[in-house]
Amino acid sequence: GEDVEQSLFLSVREGDSSVINCTYTDSSSTYLYWYKQEPGAGLQLLTYIFSNMDMKQDQRLTVLLNKKDKHLSLRIADTQTGDSAIYFCAETKPSGTYKYIFGTGTRLKVLA
Amino acid sequence: NAGVTQTPKFRVLKTGQSMTLLCAQDMNHEYMYWYRQDPGMGLRLIHYSVGEGTTAKGEVPDGYNVSRLKKQNFLLGLESAAPSQTSVYFCASSYPQLAGSYNEQFFGPGTRLTVL
Repeated sequence: GEDVEQSLFLSVREGDSSVINCTYTDSSSTYLYWYKQEPGAGLQLLTYIFSNMDMKQDQRLTVLLNKKDKHLSLRIADTQTGDSAIYFCAETKPSGTYKYIFGTGTRLKVLA
Repeated sequence: NAGVTQTPKFRVLKTGQSMTLLCAQDMNHEYMYWYRQDPGMGLRLIHYSVGEGTTAKGEVPDGYNVSRLKKQNFLLGLESAAPSQTSVYFCASSYPQLAGSYNEQFFGPGTRLTVL
């Protein structure tokens, strides 16, 4: 199967860390991504990780990849109200194909 | 650079009516995609195109047709709209995915379609 699963909602207090989780089923995925969708807008690439990496850090964002368990997570440190959005994880296959599989999306609500 | 634009932003149709959604990109991308977004279901691929004059079916193609007559434009048509097609439609574009390289999709702002 090619399902990418995420929990639908997450609520955190401003200043806390947020952790958004994702599980995928296809071990041939080469890159895994996190996209952010702000209200009324399209998706924008937030960060990505190559499948042979375990971790990637980019300022307040930390991506962890556990290939054995097919689990991907996005940690946002010091969460701000501007981080309120829907976060999608996604995977792509080896080159030569178009396929880009998106998860169901997690709606993050940041409480002031 | 406008990126990816979509026309219209909102539309209300009656069952059985037809319409065309227009997507345009100015990044010279070969690949273009149409998705629909429904609550709790994420993004589902309707049709895609890997180049001018070519189109292919995605995950949920029934009830939709597409055309890519020019590289920068990708049109999505609904011949006879049904309430089940009420959704938010997103167009995206990208370069082809190359070996060893990540592949970013660039999205338009979406079209909110309601079919009564």
